Amino acid sequence: GQQLNQSPQSMFIQEGEDVSMNCTSSSIFNTWLWYKQDPGEGPVLLIALYKAGELTSNGRLTAQFGITRKDSFLNISASIPSDVGIYFCAGTRAAGNKLTFGGGTRVLVKP
Amino acid sequence: DTEVTQTPKHLVMGMTNKKSLKCEQHMGHRAMYWYKQKAKKPPELMFVYSYEKLSINESVPSRFSPECPNSSLLNLHLHALQPEDSALYLCASSQMWRGPQETQYFGPGTRLLVL
Repeated sequence: GQQLNQSPQSMFIQEGEDVSMNCTSSSIFNTWLWYKQDPGEGPVLLIALYKAGELTSNGRLTAQFGITRKDSFLNISASIPSDVGIYFCAGTRAAGNKLTFGGGTRVLVKP
Repeated sequence: DTEVTQTPKHLVMGMTNKKSLKCEQHMGHRAMYWYKQKAKKPPELMFVYSYEKLSINESVPSRFSPECPNSSLLNLHLHALQPEDSALYLCASSQMWRGPQETQYFGPGTRLLVL
């Protein structure tokens, strides 16, 4: 099925660093959601975005709904070890449409 | 409270067994979903229930049979599964299926292994 283009596919973080990931699409979306998933667990909603240009924070996390409605980014500031996991973006293109997921960004700790 | 609960956490079954997965939410949500997730992949939608009626079946094989006994409960009945059906099965819910700003909340999942 269709996926959003999520990048990077993986990244290494060092404690204290700021990290960023984004999702893009060729189609317009009217909702963008960011989830974090730990191994063997279900995705946990981090931030929900409903309006173009909207910038929303949740603690050290900040996400924005792109003004063109075709992209979104998630920033994590001052990363800590528990930020490790898989981050998924997801969106809906219209009311009643299914969630479309990005391929995920795997956040790992630098050895 | 945005909690969706799922039982069991883990399930091992043979190809001739019949088992059921259960999902529950008490957020008053009227849309509930089943997803299948393979390792290192995003969740894939299987079924959507809206107001306890099946709205979407994503061409899922009949060995998976969903049931929505009431607005808080969602079951997935399993029969004659294949080893390739082994995956993490996720339940999710949202306020409505056709609302303008729908946000889906996921449960912790059931890790299924078919031998």
